[in-house]
Amino acid sequence: DAKTTQPTSMDCAEGRAANLPCNHSTISGNEYVYWYRQIHSQGPQYIIHGLKNNETNEMASLIITEDRKSSTLILPHATLRDTAVYYCIVRPRGGKLIFGQGTELSVKP
Amino acid sequence: DAGVIQSPRHEVTEMGQEVTLRCKPISGHNSLFWYRQTMMRGLELLIYFNNNVPIDDSGMPEDRFSAKMPNASFSTLKIQPSEPRDSAVYFCASSLYELGTGDSYEQYFGPGTRLTVT
Repeated sequence: DAKTTQPTSMDCAEGRAANLPCNHSTISGNEYVYWYRQIHSQGPQYIIHGLKNNETNEMASLIITEDRKSSTLILPHATLRDTAVYYCIVRPRGGKLIFGQGTELSVKP
Repeated sequence: DAGVIQSPRHEVTEMGQEVTLRCKPISGHNSLFWYRQTMMRGLELLIYFNNNVPIDDSGMPEDRFSAKMPNASFSTLKIQPSEPRDSAVYFCASSLYELGTGDSYEQYFGPGTRLTVT
């Protein structure tokens, strides 16, 4: 079973920041937080991952709370092409990716 | 790099027939994963290989499913005999596995094979 809780769906205006929350209150000390997304009719795509520090790459930023029980994925300037299902996954080193239902993000013009 | 290549992209077959799905991982990657996605069950891991060796096949639904990886650049997922409930999108993914850390980097997914069993 997935160890994360995400809202089923969210809307975001094009050009604005999209903030996608994820709760993982039972996360263990050796587990990482991963984010993938799946654009319609495509395979999932890796976005970012982190352990306890905030992370940023060319796609997004990941903010993890100090107690590590929740995190937020930030897409700083959402575009229509960011419309997708976003999966938050908790995974230990060497462990499997277990996908939940994710958040369906709709970016609207 | 061409990314993960899967074939065929679409497959329609009749119940009872054998189905073989194919995957070519990204060159240099040494971990390969097979997933299945349906509306009801979401995205499920079926089996994965490290260095061509099956590591965990606990997600394989039953004996009708089998997977092989004869070399680092090719894997197959076979269903024999196929049933209507096998209808799904099957994804292959690959990644780089580090023996020293016992961990894999991010997985790169192929475009999937949409299987319809009538």
